[in-house]
Amino acid sequence: DSGVTQTPKHLITATGQRVTLRCSPRSGDLSVYWYQQSLDQGLQFLIQYYNGEERAKGNILERFSAQQFPDLHSELNLSSLELGDSALYFCASSDSRDGNTIYFGEGSWLTVV
Amino acid sequence: LAKTTQPISMDSYEGQEVNITCSHNNIATNDYITWYQQFPSQGPRFIIQGYKTKVTNEVASLFIPADRKSSTLSLPRVSLSDTAVYYCLVGDMGGADGLTFGKGTHLIIQP
Repeated sequence: DSGVTQTPKHLITATGQRVTLRCSPRSGDLSVYWYQQSLDQGLQFLIQYYNGEERAKGNILERFSAQQFPDLHSELNLSSLELGDSALYFCASSDSRDGNTIYFGEGSWLTVV
Repeated sequence: LAKTTQPISMDSYEGQEVNITCSHNNIATNDYITWYQQFPSQGPRFIIQGYKTKVTNEVASLFIPADRKSSTLSLPRVSLSDTAVYYCLVGDMGGADGLTFGKGTHLIIQP
């Protein structure tokens, strides 16, 4: 158990809909990261927040957005969903602003039908 | 962007030592090298990190030559449970570069 908690674990929704994925980082960790993993694209870095502010941005679509709240939990919002958005979405956290030793949650499975 | 190149897959047998090499010819002065392990449908798990020479922990060793253009993850006496995908990441201690996973190496351990 990494200490990173993600909800929901599984989610099925229809195309065009909007979903929110939630992440609670390890206790004390200020950095939160979001990744998308699909069969054809591998593990893609989406975005990082540090203490409430965006720190680094990867291959995140404009239809996706994220934020980190004062209590350090984070949400990833996915809108206008397409079939290709079906994937495993991971949240990770670390105790530093700049660290590539990060701890992953178990992921949220999103299926778009 | 310090891209990495790893073998797509490797096979070995229980009890053997496995070495997975990662090439990173464009590594920058501030870049660290980090290895992760991922089992199916689970998040990647940190294995080891280094900057130069050799680093060893309870699960693996990481060998980095002087030019730092490659690194080798060494797993001693593997077991079936070491079957997983292993990722090499290279980047400075911040920014998207150091957080970008490549395709990884699918290691298959046979009895």
